[in-house]
Amino acid sequence: DGGITQSPKYLFRKEGQNVTLSCEQNLNHDAMYWYRQDPGQGLRLIYYSQIVNDFQKGDIAEGYSVSREKKESFPLTVTSAQKNPTAFYLCASSMRLGQKNTGELFFGEGSRLTVL
Amino acid sequence: GNSVTQMEGPVTLSEEAFLTINCTYTATGYPSLFWYVQYPGEGLQLLLKATKADDKGSNKGFEATYRKETTSFHLEKGSVQVSDSAVYFCALRGNQGGKLIFGQGTELSVKP
Repeated sequence: DGGITQSPKYLFRKEGQNVTLSCEQNLNHDAMYWYRQDPGQGLRLIYYSQIVNDFQKGDIAEGYSVSREKKESFPLTVTSAQKNPTAFYLCASSMRLGQKNTGELFFGEGSRLTVL
Repeated sequence: GNSVTQMEGPVTLSEEAFLTINCTYTATGYPSLFWYVQYPGEGLQLLLKATKADDKGSNKGFEATYRKETTSFHLEKGSVQVSDSAVYFCALRGNQGGKLIFGQGTELSVKP
């Protein structure tokens, strides 16, 4: 079945360590996104990519990095510079922004990162 | 800029009660409007959408009508079930494309 796969589902990290969250999609979507979700704050956009080898900062990019070497993959690295990394991270994909479509996002099941 | 405002939760209802979750937006032109649902421990799923004024989106007994005159997209269901307990997010995308803007989410808890 087509969809988005995030891994790992749960991750624990010590302070000062970088960690990479995986996101893979087989929907043939051009655009991919990373959101952070904290209790009571909704979703905040970290990074997004509309095409391979290109990505843009979202609203809260500091302390995070991404790459988009393949259409199917958009990994997120949470670096030691991120001051408060404990959160639920959601990856999503869509048809490319600006194409004639309704802009629906398809989400993975999320990765919960806890910094000890 | 574009923005979405939802009623604050949590909303607690008894089974078979009527549900309304208010959503209003600020945007230029004619954005596309969405409701997403997030069940506990999961990602978001699209519940329904509307792409132009007076459109009604519907799915699983939920409905929402795109009201340009009141800049609203309220979510309604006539009879909620315990299985509807989740967090509901209203969202918009501007008519020039661009990022999806989410409201802060409204938690719904339905008691038997």
